[in-house]
Amino acid sequence: DQQVKQNSPSLSVQEGRISILNCDYTNSMFDYFLWYKKYPAEGPTFLISISSIKDKNEDGRFTVFLNKSAKHLSLHIVPSQPGDSAVYFCAARADSNYQLIWGAGTKLIIKP
Amino acid sequence: NAGVMQNPRHLVRRRGQEARLRCSPMKGHSHVYWYRQLPEEGLKFMVYLQKENIIDESGMPKERFSAEFPKEGPSILRIQQVVRGDSAAYFCASSPGLAGGDTEAFFGQGTRLTVV
Repeated sequence: DQQVKQNSPSLSVQEGRISILNCDYTNSMFDYFLWYKKYPAEGPTFLISISSIKDKNEDGRFTVFLNKSAKHLSLHIVPSQPGDSAVYFCAARADSNYQLIWGAGTKLIIKP
Repeated sequence: NAGVMQNPRHLVRRRGQEARLRCSPMKGHSHVYWYRQLPEEGLKFMVYLQKENIIDESGMPKERFSAEFPKEGPSILRIQQVVRGDSAAYFCASSPGLAGGDTEAFFGQGTRLTVV
C-alpha cells in the first residue's frame, strides 16, 4: 500500500527551463511534506518542506505547492541547472511523527 | 563539523553471514533513525533509537535484525544470517531532538549491502 506516490520514474528538462516534479498521497493524516534530493552514492539531503496549513512555500529557485483537496504536491525548480540532476524524493509524515513515508523517487536529468 | 558518518560504505557478505553497519550521528545529536532502500524504491523506516534505548522498531523485520545505540560509540544495525533479499542501501539519520515538524534529520551516505 503506497501512501506516497511519485508516478514519474524520470524527467528530462532543458537547462534554464522549469522542472516540475509531482507527488500524490493517500493518507489524509499527513500534514507535513518534504522534498529530498539525492545524488548517486550519497544520502538524501533535505531540500524544502511545506506544512498542510500552507499551499505554497518558496526558497530561492525551489517552490513547493500543496493541493490538499487533490492530495497532491509538486516541486518547481526554475531555472533548472545542471547541478539539479539528481533523484528527488517526496516524503510525508503525520503531525510530529518522526517516521517519514517516502515515494519511490523521480530521476531528474537536466540537459545542456 | 562532520556530518552523519556511516561505515562501511560498501559491504559484501555471503548468505548466512552476519552484517554489521555502523552509524556515528552528528555531534550533539542523540536521536538516530535507520532506513532501508531497496532497488527502485523509496526509503523505508526501520528503527528509531536514542542513547541506550530503542524507541520504535516497528519497521524492522522481527527476525535476524537488531539495532543498538550504546552510551558510547556508534549505533549498530546488525543483520544475522543474511539472505539475498537483504541486499539494499541502509541509511542512518540523526537529529538533535525528536525529528518532526521543523526539526529535520540529517542523513549519512549510506551502506550498500550486497549478499552473494
